[in-house]
Amino acid sequence: DIQMTQSPSSLSASIGDRVTITCRASQSINNFLSWYQQKPGKAPQLLISVASNLQTGVPSRFSGGGSGTDFTLTISSLQPEDFATYYCQQCYTIPQTFGQGTKLE
Amino acid sequence: QIQLQQSGPGLVKPSQTLSLTCAVSGDSVSSSIAAWNWIRESPSRGLEWLGRTYYRSKWYIEYAASVEGRMTINPDTSKNQFSLQLNSVTPDDTAVYYCARASGPGKGHFDPWGQGTRVTVSS
Repeated sequence: DIQMTQSPSSLSASIGDRVTITCRASQSINNFLSWYQQKPGKAPQLLISVASNLQTGVPSRFSGGGSGTDFTLTISSLQPEDFATYYCQQCYTIPQTFGQGTKLE
Repeated sequence: QIQLQQSGPGLVKPSQTLSLTCAVSGDSVSSSIAAWNWIRESPSRGLEWLGRTYYRSKWYIEYAASVEGRMTINPDTSKNQFSLQLNSVTPDDTAVYYCARASGPGKGHFDPWGQGTRVTVSS
């Protein structure tokens, strides 16, 4: 199985900060990488697909990048509603696997 | 707008069978561009993909190695839904279970998700 490793596991930040979360795959996954946001008691919500494709309705302060094994999720100016847990997920092969999550607090 | 609505019990006794259903609206489980997935979330395992079903001229079903042999996914075209059955459950199967639609490049990204069902395995 492909292992997905996120860093950091938790991140303390303030409103207006620029925040970057990284995700590393144990082997190349081309750009088959998605990012999700999860708030307590809710299902994850898709933010970005194929590494950098922002989903409709997702604010433009979110951006994704990378290819191969190394990927990033950046929030350019943190807003109160962005405090949540973020997950990366590879959709290159079965089983699809997730990172362990990054809690933004 | 595609929506997934989950149903099923939240408490299952050890050694018994966990059964959940995911009703699909706004799309068809027979869609040629989507796959229908079960995923669970627990403190010990994080988010774990369990399996999927999809239709490409015929039905395909795939399972994660961790549950293969204990898990069954069934599509039901008459009700436009799909189900999960997990046999011989143990407390380690305690988790929040989600259904999700996958589409797009590769094996697909998950969107949307069901609301989640918190399942506790306990006597």
